[in-house]
Amino acid sequence: EDQVTQSPEALRLQEGESSSLNCSYTVSGLRGLFWYRQDPGKGPEFLFTLYSAGEEKEKERLKATLTKKESFLHITAPKPEDSATYLCAGKTSYDKVIFGPGTSLSVIP
Amino acid sequence: DTEVTQTPKHLVMGMTNKKSLKCEQHMGHRAMYWYKQKAKKPPELMFVYSYEKLSINESVPSRFSPECPNSSLLNLHLHALQPEDSALYLCASSAPRGLWDNEQFFGPGTRLTVL
Repeated sequence: EDQVTQSPEALRLQEGESSSLNCSYTVSGLRGLFWYRQDPGKGPEFLFTLYSAGEEKEKERLKATLTKKESFLHITAPKPEDSATYLCAGKTSYDKVIFGPGTSLSVIP
Repeated sequence: DTEVTQTPKHLVMGMTNKKSLKCEQHMGHRAMYWYKQKAKKPPELMFVYSYEKLSINESVPSRFSPECPNSSLLNLHLHALQPEDSALYLCASSAPRGLWDNEQFFGPGTRLTVL
């Protein structure tokens, strides 16, 4: 069964304290691994797409990496404005996108 | 124009009402999606339109009826909803390079409350 899981469920960081969020996937014929950020009551905001193991993408304080079983979202020196829920999603070979449950990140000043 | 817009932002309806949600994008995307999201849960796919044709229906109850009048517009017609249908309804679109090859861009959502 195709599945995407994320850990931890929630993460509290001090401002400037770097960390990583994990996304584990079992998706048949993965055709893309997506990361989104979602603020409360708003739609998800696209961050990255990764297609193959070894691929890395960066944007400001965020860096996403992909292996054959996992993806990591590394947050370097986070700021309070990085507080949000981070969702990862995998696209299957039969054209469906499956979302993970998300990681709720709180960055404390 | 690089955004997906949704109206209304909030909707309160009774179980006997008929209402519609509207979604619009002007990015030239030819795939459009409806998702339902409950609090603290990920988005759940409801429908996918590809080139204005319904391509995926995730076994959604018939009280939800999607419509894609043209390549920029997506509607979701609601009738005889139940209180458990209360949720954030999200619309998304993606570029035409394959149905799913590209990332989806989401609208801000419509917060629906069914009394």
